[in-house]
Amino acid sequence: GENVEQHPSTLSVQEGDSAVIKCTYSDSASNYFPWYKQELGKGPQLIIDIRSNVGEKKDQRIAVTLNKTAKHFSLHITETQPEDSAVYFCAASPGTNAGKSTFGDGTTLTVKP
Amino acid sequence: DAGVIQSPRHEVTEMGQEVTLRCKLISGHNSLFWYRQTMMRGLELLIYFNNNVPIDDSGMPEDRFSAKMPNASFSTLKIQPSEPRDSAVYFCASSLALGNYGYTFGSGTRLTVV
Repeated sequence: GENVEQHPSTLSVQEGDSAVIKCTYSDSASNYFPWYKQELGKGPQLIIDIRSNVGEKKDQRIAVTLNKTAKHFSLHITETQPEDSAVYFCAASPGTNAGKSTFGDGTTLTVKP
Repeated sequence: DAGVIQSPRHEVTEMGQEVTLRCKLISGHNSLFWYRQTMMRGLELLIYFNNNVPIDDSGMPEDRFSAKMPNASFSTLKIQPSEPRDSAVYFCASSLALGNYGYTFGSGTRLTVV
């Protein structure tokens, strides 16, 4: 089955700096890669996703990149703000109609004011 | 749409009691996932359904756990009898379909078994 590894497990940055979270996956059949943000006391929320026919996708201060050859994808947050502090999960999903997402273990991001 | 709705938000019960957690899917979503989250074990997938049919229950920890989808918009997760080690936050999530669609998570049920 699919195996997703996520690094780092914790990340602390100063407000205004950039943050990068990296994930690798094992199943070459995976072709959908969502990212979720979980704030304290809430469920994970989908913030951005990328499909394997795209190498990069941006949405305001967040961007995702995908390297299918190397089987890794990354989340980039620029101009970080204290409200970006949360746990971030990456996931990988097969493109068939019978698969589930496999989640990474999460990264706790702390943005210091 | 009000999103995925879970009830109750908090549940405190005594060991040995039956616990039922409830989840209402987003209208039009065909896939339903039950997760458990703890500090020690992180986010664990317990079971998931597609079109009301259980697809994979290999994550259900023991026979004390059971899940049902009596209709396309509603699911229950039952623990009978409950044990202190079942204490966790339980999330359900729904998606349009399996495969390359994102999940919408509910706010979770925080279960404490004393």
